[in-house]
Amino acid sequence: DQQVKQNSPSLSVQEGRISILNCDYTNSMFDYFLWYKKYPAEGPTFLISISSIKDKNEDGRFTVFLNKSAKHLSLHIVPSQPGDSAVYFCAARSGYALNFGKGTSLLVTP
Amino acid sequence: EADIYQTPRYLVIGTGKKITLECSQTMGHDKMYWYQQDPGMELHLIHYSYGVNSTEKGDLSSESTVSRIRTEHFPLTLESARPSHTSQYLCASSKQNTEAFFGQGTRLTVV
Repeated sequence: DQQVKQNSPSLSVQEGRISILNCDYTNSMFDYFLWYKKYPAEGPTFLISISSIKDKNEDGRFTVFLNKSAKHLSLHIVPSQPGDSAVYFCAARSGYALNFGKGTSLLVTP
Repeated sequence: EADIYQTPRYLVIGTGKKITLECSQTMGHDKMYWYQQDPGMELHLIHYSYGVNSTEKGDLSSESTVSRIRTEHFPLTLESARPSHTSQYLCASSKQNTEAFFGQGTRLTVV
């Protein structure tokens, strides 16, 4: 049973606008959440993370929000750039390993 | 920039062959992982290691085996490759319970 869900397989956003990628999880034992960016035939690249004791973490154009009561997190990219076009994976940690969602493919159009 | 390397990047091999996918990291991380990913799907953990001489199977059953004789090296072996093993294999390492850094992956095709 999948514990981390990204329900939007794809998202298209215009350059300069905000991209919002969503992720839901079911396991309340997850204590650390991460977002990765992945290009085809490449390994995932770490973007940003958040501990379960926080509700927001910001790094440049990337902000992650965590709503523990709703078991929901989101990644905001502002402003979006064409180079942001990639697959974004949400991941959650409990114990020894990361549990990943299926990814959301983001396309930023000029 | 993370220093974790996987070779080969791409491999096409015949059924029944033995293969070893190499993974090395220069960050001194104790924890290392192997994930398997098919297109459009999530990454599945198939093996992990807490340190030298420690290996465990992950959540996804795999016919592959791993070894951890040195901290920096975590190779994955398939004794007899089959078409069902065709996938992307991703190696990662982490320092305690922080973010994992991934290698570039090996795209394996078994024909």
